[in-house]
Amino acid sequence: GENVEQHPSTLSVQEGDSAVIKCTYSDSASNYFPWYKQELGKRPQLIIDIRSNVGEKKDQRIAVTLNKTAKHFSLHITETQPEDSAVYFCAASVIGSARQLTFGSGTQLTVLP
Amino acid sequence: ETGVTQTPRHLVMGMTNKKSLKCEQHLGHNAMYWYKQSAKKPLELMFVYSLEERVENNSVPSRFSPECPNSSHLFLHLHTLQPEDSALYLCASSQVAENYGYTFGSGTRLTVV
Repeated sequence: GENVEQHPSTLSVQEGDSAVIKCTYSDSASNYFPWYKQELGKRPQLIIDIRSNVGEKKDQRIAVTLNKTAKHFSLHITETQPEDSAVYFCAASVIGSARQLTFGSGTQLTVLP
Repeated sequence: ETGVTQTPRHLVMGMTNKKSLKCEQHLGHNAMYWYKQSAKKPLELMFVYSLEERVENNSVPSRFSPECPNSSHLFLHLHTLQPEDSALYLCASSQVAENYGYTFGSGTRLTVV
């Protein structure tokens, strides 16, 4: 089955700096890669996703890049703000399958004011 | 609310009790999921229901028993739990063919005493 590894487990950055979280996956059939943000005491919420037919996707301060050959994808947050502090999860799955998303172990991002 | 409602939000139960967690989705999705989230651990898939059929049971102990009476409702029946079962239990739904990611409920914070 799929295995998703996520690094780092914790990340602290100064407000205004950029943050990068990286994930690798094992199943070459995976073609859908979402990222979730979970604030303390709240549900995970989808913030951005990418499908394997593109290499990069951007939404304001958030971007995701995908390298299918190397089987890794990354989340980039620019101009970080204190409200970006949360746990971020990457995931991988195959579109059209009822198989579950396989999640990474999460990254606790802290943005220091 | 995101369209996925979980009740109760908090539950404290003794090891000999029987209780049920409820999840309801109003999004017209055709797949529903139970995840367990423990402190400092990845999201652990427990059960997957697609079109009301259980398609995956991820080696979950029999003290957890899921039920999916229709595509909008999902239950998790609990009995004779152990203290290590204390965790946040998250329900999610998705539209399999579209695979735009999961929509999570707010979760039930379960404490077994």
